[in-house]
Amino acid sequence: QQQVKQSPQSLIVQKGGISIINCAYENTAFDYFPWYQQFPGKGPALLIAIRPDVSEKKEGRFTISFNKSAKQFSLHIMDSQPGDSATYFCAASKGGGFKTIFGAGTRLFVKA
Amino acid sequence: DGGITQSPKYLFRKEGQNVTLSCEQNLNHDAMYWYRQDPGQGLRLIYYSQIVNDFQKGDIAEGYSVSREKKESFPLTVTSAQKNPTAFYLCATIGGQMNTGELFFGEGSRLTVL
Repeated sequence: QQQVKQSPQSLIVQKGGISIINCAYENTAFDYFPWYQQFPGKGPALLIAIRPDVSEKKEGRFTISFNKSAKQFSLHIMDSQPGDSATYFCAASKGGGFKTIFGAGTRLFVKA
Repeated sequence: DGGITQSPKYLFRKEGQNVTLSCEQNLNHDAMYWYRQDPGQGLRLIYYSQIVNDFQKGDIAEGYSVSREKKESFPLTVTSAQKNPTAFYLCATIGGQMNTGELFFGEGSRLTVL
């Protein structure tokens, strides 16, 4: 019940294309769904996050789509750029984030 | 600057030696975490602490030890009992008055066992 399943494991997208990464969770008590971006040799950093009372959140080229009934959420990167090449982790937590569960990560490569 | 400082950034160790990785934060966050990341892998929780003088084992605590004597500091010791210690280690914090649920990560420490 604590798992967060993330797919795909890796993704190659042409510059200007749309990158889509999907996650599914089981625990309906989760109330915070962040996406973290990690560049090689660096620590992850929060990219965008959503709470279950909304179905979509957009920040620039990055959008989270959230489907509460299906217990799924996804990250869409519009107009993908080579600088977006990184590893992306979805996550879920409840009660202030003190127990955050991470997905396995997706390695994105954007071809110039 | 507010943030999390991990040191050293790179560390080499001979087999059988204990090493200690430092994590210091000035964000005034209550909770601190240690994660292990292997190449191309996700984040695995080693230990966490939600308050000074208290900590709990995560999913892969065997071969590791921690202490939390000060709010600002959460050092991780990789002991000789850890069979495969070569990895990238990440410290993270959460909490404070403006807590949104976001985890803040340090830059990581890369440990290589020779």
